[in-house]
Amino acid sequence: GAVVSQHPSWVICKSGTSVKIECRSLDFQATTMFWYRQFPKQSLMLMATSNEGSKATYEQGVEKDKFLINHASLTLSTLTVTSAHPEDSSFYICSARDLTYTGELFFGEGSRLTVL
Amino acid sequence: KNQVEQSPQSLIILEGKNCTLQCNYTVSPFSNLRWYKQDTGRGPVSLTIMTFSENTKSNGRYTATLDADTKQSSLHITASQLSDSASYICVVSVPGTASKLTFGTGTRLQVTL
Repeated sequence: GAVVSQHPSWVICKSGTSVKIECRSLDFQATTMFWYRQFPKQSLMLMATSNEGSKATYEQGVEKDKFLINHASLTLSTLTVTSAHPEDSSFYICSARDLTYTGELFFGEGSRLTVL
Repeated sequence: KNQVEQSPQSLIILEGKNCTLQCNYTVSPFSNLRWYKQDTGRGPVSLTIMTFSENTKSNGRYTATLDADTKQSSLHITASQLSDSASYICVVSVPGTASKLTFGTGTRLQVTL
């Protein structure tokens, strides 16, 4: 099946710094990728929809200037957490839709962010 | 109130036993219902996908059922293994876009010796 890769799988940073997380579709092209955040023992919450070649669409309550999304190619989307604070510590997961499969959505392995 | 409710919230079973997880949803209309397995600290992995016209779908020891009239789905795990310990998430999608996924809160399953 299709594979979605995330990097880094975990990152620890100081408060105030910015962190970039990459999401790659390894064997298929994805015009649309999705970014989720998951707190412990909770469901995935959709943060934004990343569209190749255009601006991302953010869900209500998600600050677009805080979570910068870039989808520069059909296989790569990046999420940058700017000026990170401890409350941004979470598990961030991306997913991508393979248009060759009917509605199939593949998830990355997730990236654990810890802000000190 | 969450539009996708799962029960039980957590479950502990002995290795080799069967179990059934429940998913009730109010999302309407919907295009398909998915079950995912999520290991701790990992991304979700798809187990089954069912459209509204399908009643059952199997994937190895996992069998999902769907009753679109009562808006209920179940995931049955047969002959559980220690590696089945994970969270199982029911996800309902709305027609038109894959981004409109409504996630259940999940059932945390622990399989013990």
